[in-house]
Parts: sequence; C-alpha cells; structure tokens
Amino acid sequence: NAGVMQNPRHLVRRRGQEARLRCSPMKGHSHVYWYRQLPEEGLKFMVYLQKENIIDESGMPKERFSAEFPKEGPSILRIQQVVRGDSAAYFCASSPVNQETQYFGPGTRLLVL
Amino acid sequence: QQPVQSPQAVILREGEDAVINCSSSKALYSVHWYRQKHGEAPVFLMILLKGGEQKGHDKISASFNEKKQQSSLYLTASQLSYSGTYFCGTVAYGGSQGNLIFGKGTKLSVKP
Repeated sequence: NAGVMQNPRHLVRRRGQEARLRCSPMKGHSHVYWYRQLPEEGLKFMVYLQKENIIDESGMPKERFSAEFPKEGPSILRIQQVVRGDSAAYFCASSPVNQETQYFGPGTRLLVL
Repeated sequence: QQPVQSPQAVILREGEDAVINCSSSKALYSVHWYRQKHGEAPVFLMILLKGGEQKGHDKISASFNEKKQQSSLYLTASQLSYSGTYFCGTVAYGGSQGNLIFGKGTKLSVKP
C-alpha cells in the first residue's frame, strides 16, 4: 500500500511565478491536510480538505494561496506570485476519516529565488 | 494555542533514557506524537485519546494525564535510530478536528 505521495519533491521558482504542489493521499484516505514548515521550526497547519470540499482553511494566508481536492486526481496547493518568504517545506498528510491518525508525505521543498 | 514542549533539546548516550513533555493550558481532545529526521517527513509514533491512557511499542511509550493537559513521551534504552526531532500535535476541544497544532519540537541526539 503506497504511502502519501507528493510531487515535485523540490521546486525552484523566481519571485512572481506560480507554484503548484501536488499530493496524492494513501489509498482509502479521503481527508487531506497541508502543513508548512520553516527551517528548524514546527509544522504549521494550513488547510484541511475532503473530496471537493474545504473543511478548514484557517491557516491559509488570505491572498495568493489556494487549495483544492477534486473528485478525481490529487490535491493541489497553489501559490500565486511567490515571494521569498514562501520558501519552506510543504507537507501533505492524509487520514481515512476525521480524528484519525494523519500520515505524512515526503514533502515539497519550495525555494523562491 | 500552541502546546509547549520540553526540553528543547537533549543529548543521550546509547542505552540512556529520555522523557519529552508536551503541555497545554487547556484540556485536549487528543495528542499525536511524531518523529522527524532531518530532511524527511514526520513519522507517526502514537496517538492518545483518553485521560490516564498509556501506550507503547518496543521501547517508546507515552502517557496522557488525567486532566488531558499534558502528555509525556518516554524513550528507554535509546538507540542511535532514535535521533531526530520529536513533535507533539494536539487537537483541542472545540477546535477543528482536522487541525493538528504542533509544538516547536524536541531535538534528540543519541551518541554512540
């Protein structure tokens, strides 16, 4: 049973470009969570999604960031007009139902030049 | 509200024991423990849901106090592979059930 998959693993963007991060949850998991981690810091919750629904986006910046989890395909975290401060590791996690253990993917390391 | 982890860092020799604490000012619905090695994903260790609960596997165990405001992770007879940063993630009563709030982490280094 494959784990949570994320791609790309590393992404380099110039300021002003768009970044798209993809997350495929574990088989059988319908809940997806996105977290951001700065170097030497803990994980900060961003957004929680179920298929076609955003359940909690209280951790998402109001501008430039969006997330979706379509009926078919992976969850996408989209960052428009990236700035240097967006450089971080972005982790996706999934769970079979709410309130269950969250299993993390390997992360996407975004570097904004 | 972010839980407080202590200590921030600890250095052990192989075979020594360690305790990592995670405290909240409010009662928690659940506590989730993870270990993360540098450059890797957090790996799930265990989840505690009930006040007074204790859980463990191999030489790593955890407890959740009766008031459900503090959890401790116990590492006994540490091995080199235990090195990494340990995070507790918490879900508060009344909070979003999908939103884990993580502490700042405890960096554990096990030396030969």
